[in-house]
Amino acid sequence: AQTVTQSQPEMSVQEAETVTLSCTYDTSESDYYLFWYKQPPSRQMILVIRQEAYKQQNATENRFSVNFQKAAKSFSLKISDSQLGDAAMYFCAYRSYNNDMRFGAGTRLTVKP
Amino acid sequence: DGGITQSPKYLFRKEGQNVTLSCEQNLNHDAMYWYRQDPGQGLRLIYYSQIVNDFQKGDIAEGYSVSREKKESFPLTVTSAQKNPTAFYLCASSIFLVAGANTEAFFGQGTRLTVV
Repeated sequence: AQTVTQSQPEMSVQEAETVTLSCTYDTSESDYYLFWYKQPPSRQMILVIRQEAYKQQNATENRFSVNFQKAAKSFSLKISDSQLGDAAMYFCAYRSYNNDMRFGAGTRLTVKP
Repeated sequence: DGGITQSPKYLFRKEGQNVTLSCEQNLNHDAMYWYRQDPGQGLRLIYYSQIVNDFQKGDIAEGYSVSREKKESFPLTVTSAQKNPTAFYLCASSIFLVAGANTEAFFGQGTRLTVV
């Protein structure tokens, strides 16, 4: 089975600054999807951004963008102009075309005012 | 409103008892998932199902069982064989993964299970 690794248990950023969360994965598949989900204290999982592996262009959603390096099996999330509401747990996820979906251990992001 | 519903929100179990967590979705999704969340360990896959009457084990299936008799429902039973069942459990659903489609997984609000 595929594995997802988030090597940063905790990260901190100053409000209005930029922060990058890291994610690597291990797979032998050539086609798959990658996701970043946000989990605020309410514990509701919220999709932040998705990336299809066959697309070379990095996905962008407003202040959120990814750096997808397929050969390196790396999928980092960049949050620009950080806001207090961005404080949450962030999970990286890998989904196969057989619908198996695995998550990393998460990174807790703190935003300092 | 379309969505995915988990019940109950909080559940208490005595040691040695089986308990069933409910997960229902009205999104017409084919794929459904159960995850366990413990502090510092992220979401670990217990089971997932792609179609009715079919399901696959995840990384931590021991001590758990599931059924998929209807497309809308994917209940999880925590059996007495699960030695450390206290955790937060999340159910999710999604369409099949298809290139170019909206492949977002939708999550329920979770069930907090505590062994007393």
